[in-house]
Amino acid sequence: GAVVSQHPSWVICKSGTSVKIECRSLDFQATTMFWYRQFPKQSLMLMATSNEGSKATYEQGVEKDKFLINHASLTLSTLTVTSAHPEDSSFYICSASGGGNTIYFGEGSWLTVV
Amino acid sequence: QKEVEQDPGPLSVPEGAIVSLNCTYSNSAFQYFMWYRQYSRKGPELLMYTYSSGNKEDGRFTAQVDKSSKYISLFIRDSQPSDSATYLCATYGSSNTGKLIFGQGTTLQVKP
Repeated sequence: GAVVSQHPSWVICKSGTSVKIECRSLDFQATTMFWYRQFPKQSLMLMATSNEGSKATYEQGVEKDKFLINHASLTLSTLTVTSAHPEDSSFYICSASGGGNTIYFGEGSWLTVV
Repeated sequence: QKEVEQDPGPLSVPEGAIVSLNCTYSNSAFQYFMWYRQYSRKGPELLMYTYSSGNKEDGRFTAQVDKSSKYISLFIRDSQPSDSATYLCATYGSSNTGKLIFGQGTTLQVKP
């Protein structure tokens, strides 16, 4: 099946710094990618829809200035957590459509802000 | 009422048992349904994808959609300890945005 790759898998950063997470579709082009956040023992919470060549669409309650999304190519979307704080520590997952109404997820990125 | 409801469990079964995982949804306009498996600390993995009503089988897994009762199921035959994970049902909903609506996820433990 289609493969979506995320990098890094794990990242620890200091409070107040910014961290970038990359999401790549490895064997297909994705005009749309999605970014989720998942807290322990909870389901995935959609943060934003990333559209190639245009601005991302954020879900209600998600700060667009804090979670910057860039979808510069058909195979790459990035999520930058700016001025990270400990409450931003979470599991961030991206997904992309592989065509045929199927959605594939990346392996996820664990962010710990200390 | 949530658009997709799923019992979070946990569900514990012995190895070799038949597992039935279920979700209900609220909107009869929903057409596409997916089951994802998520191992601890990993991203979800697409297991099954179905459209409209009926059954779909893939190895030990069978996905079933009953649109009359707005009920979707995933059956796992001959369950293995490696099947221990959280199973998420999902649908696109009635919009064409590509956004997925997830159930809460059911945690399954298969004991050897």
